[in-house]
Amino acid sequence: ETGVTQTPRHLVMGMTNKKSLKCEQHLGHNAMYWYKQSAKKPLELMFVYSLEERVENNSVPSRFSPECPNSSHLFLHLHTLQPEDSALYLCASSQEPASGANVLTFGAGSRLTVL
Amino acid sequence: GQNIDQPTEMTATEGAIVQINCTYQTSGFNGLFWYQQHAGEAPTFLSYNVLDGLEEKGRFSSFLSRSKGYSYLLLKELQMKDSASYLCAAMDSNYQLIWGAGTKLIIKP
Repeated sequence: ETGVTQTPRHLVMGMTNKKSLKCEQHLGHNAMYWYKQSAKKPLELMFVYSLEERVENNSVPSRFSPECPNSSHLFLHLHTLQPEDSALYLCASSQEPASGANVLTFGAGSRLTVL
Repeated sequence: GQNIDQPTEMTATEGAIVQINCTYQTSGFNGLFWYQQHAGEAPTFLSYNVLDGLEEKGRFSSFLSRSKGYSYLLLKELQMKDSASYLCAAMDSNYQLIWGAGTKLIIKP
C-alpha cells in the first residue's frame, strides 16, 4: 500500500449510530488532517495533528471526535450525527503542518450519508 | 475576511487550451496551490507558486501575480482525462490554506 488509504469508502448511518472513519498514510509524514468536502463548497479543515498531537480544531461540533494513535493512523469517530453532516470526508498528510510549499497528499475519501 | 473566487464550471474542447482563473484575498501570503480532483478520487497536487510569474510543467502551467491577488492554471492540448475539478488554495501568513470551491472542467470531443 502506498499513499493515503481511507476506509470505508462509503458509509450510511442513522442519526443514533456510532461509527468510525479510518485513515492510514505510508509516506512517513508528520502531519495528518481531516477535511470535510460538501458539493460546490470549499474544503473545510476540521482537525490537524502534528506528531500525534492535535494542533488545530476548527470549532468542529463535538459529535466528531478525532483520534491519532501514531503518526501513521488517524481516526474520526462519529456519533449522533445530523443529516447536514452528509459529505465526503477527506484525510490528508504532509511533511510538516505549517510551512510554505506544504503539499498535501489526500486519500480518496469516505462518502458519508446520514439518514 | 479571507476569500478565494474561481468559476464554478467551464467547458472546453479536446485539443484546445483552457485557462482557469483564481482570485484570492488573504491575511498575508505564503503561496498558491492548484490541485486536480477527478470524480470520486483524491485531490492531487498540480502546482505551487509563491513568486510572480509562470511555472510550466508539461501541458500544465500556473501563473501568479501577487500584486493583483490573481492566479491562473493553463491547460494545453486538452485530453478527455483532463475532465475534473480544479481546486485553488492560497496559504495565509499562518500557513493556513484558504480553499476555493473548485472549478469543474468538462472536456467535449
